[in-house]
Formats: sequence, C-alpha cells, structure tokens
Amino acid sequence: AQSVTQLDSQVPVFEEAPVELRCNYSSSVSVYLFWYVQYPNQGLQLLLKYLSGSTLVKGINGFEAEFNKSQTSFHLRKPSVHISDTAEYFCAVTFPGGYQKVTFGTGTKLQVIP
Amino acid sequence: GAGVSQSPSNKVTEKGKDVELRCDPISGHTALYWYRQSLGQGLEFLIYFQGNSAPDKSGLPSDRFSAERTGGSVSTLTIQRTQQEDSAVYLCASSPRRTGLSYEQYFGPGTRLTVT
Repeated sequence: AQSVTQLDSQVPVFEEAPVELRCNYSSSVSVYLFWYVQYPNQGLQLLLKYLSGSTLVKGINGFEAEFNKSQTSFHLRKPSVHISDTAEYFCAVTFPGGYQKVTFGTGTKLQVIP
Repeated sequence: GAGVSQSPSNKVTEKGKDVELRCDPISGHTALYWYRQSLGQGLEFLIYFQGNSAPDKSGLPSDRFSAERTGGSVSTLTIQRTQQEDSAVYLCASSPRRTGLSYEQYFGPGTRLTVT
C-alpha cells in the first residue's frame, strides 16, 4: 500500500522568503501526486498535481513542485511567500487507473511571519 | 457554480447520541468521499461512493459509522452512539471521477463534530 510522509508538521518562514515543504511517498509502482492547501475553517483546495509528463509542475498562487522518482519525493516550493500563504498544506498520492484510494499526508502548517 | 456543501457546519452532541452529517456534492460528480480530520492526524479516509454504491467502505472505524447516498447526489454519514473520540472535522469531497480525468477532489468546508 502507498504511504505519504510529511516530516515537517510546522514551518515558520518570514514574508518574502522562499519556502520548501517536503513530501516523500512510498510506492513501487507509478503514482499520481497532489498538493492541497487548507485555509483556516475551509475545506481543501487543489494547488497542483503530477499525473505524467514534465516533472516540474506549476500550480496556483505561485507554487510549484518537482516529482523526483529516484528520491520518491514531491516537494512543494515557492520563491517568495506572502502572509496570505499561511495555511496547512497536504501532500497526497494515488495510483492511476480505475478507483484507487487517495492517501493524504498528515499536513504541514506554513506560518508566514511578517 | 456551486461547490460542495456540508451541513451542519458545527455540531455539538452528547456522548451516546446519534448524529447525521450531510454532504451535497457538485452537480454531476459521480464520486463522493468522506474523510475525518483529527488534530495532528491528517485526513483519514472513511468511505467512497461511485453513484449510489459504496465499493470501498474500508475506512469506516466501527459499525457505529454508516453512510448512504441517494439519487447519485446527497450523502449522509451517520454516527450512532457517539463517543468522545468521534470528535473531529468530517470532510466530504466529490469528483467527476472517470478514467482519464483529472482525479482532483473538490472538498466541502467540513462539519466540526464535538462530542461532550
């Protein structure tokens, strides 16, 4: 079964600084990977996804992530964060084809410090 | 268009009571998912519906939990004889899941359940 690990439960970063949120997955077969963002008291919203093709994926709000098969990672990055990026970020994995359960990581809380 | 809606937004109940949580998915979305979000636990999958059938109920934590979906639309998650450990945010998501589509899930705002 697949699993997702987000080692950092909280990441504080100063406004306009770069940030990287780490995500590692375990799977011996092809995977689909996602990053979702959850703002306070809201549901999750898709930031970006990797299904196939280019390993560098660009998403909304200036975020991007790189799929690294050899390191089984899908880290999320932003070159310059804004106060409005303060939220919780979830990495998720599933398999292609038919119904496959989506497994979510435990989340990383990004706190942007003014 | 309208997104996924859930009701109630907050529910406080006494231990031992039954509760019903409702999810209205995006119109036309055939797939519907329930998750439970507890503090520091991430999202815990509960159940998946495709149309009105539930091919994957593997995440339901006990037989006190059940869910149904009618008309391929509204879904209700029922928790019987609630326990304090049931306190969590219950999230619903829907997806136009078909082979070859994006696999993206669209989430509702959740129902915060507090069992006292």
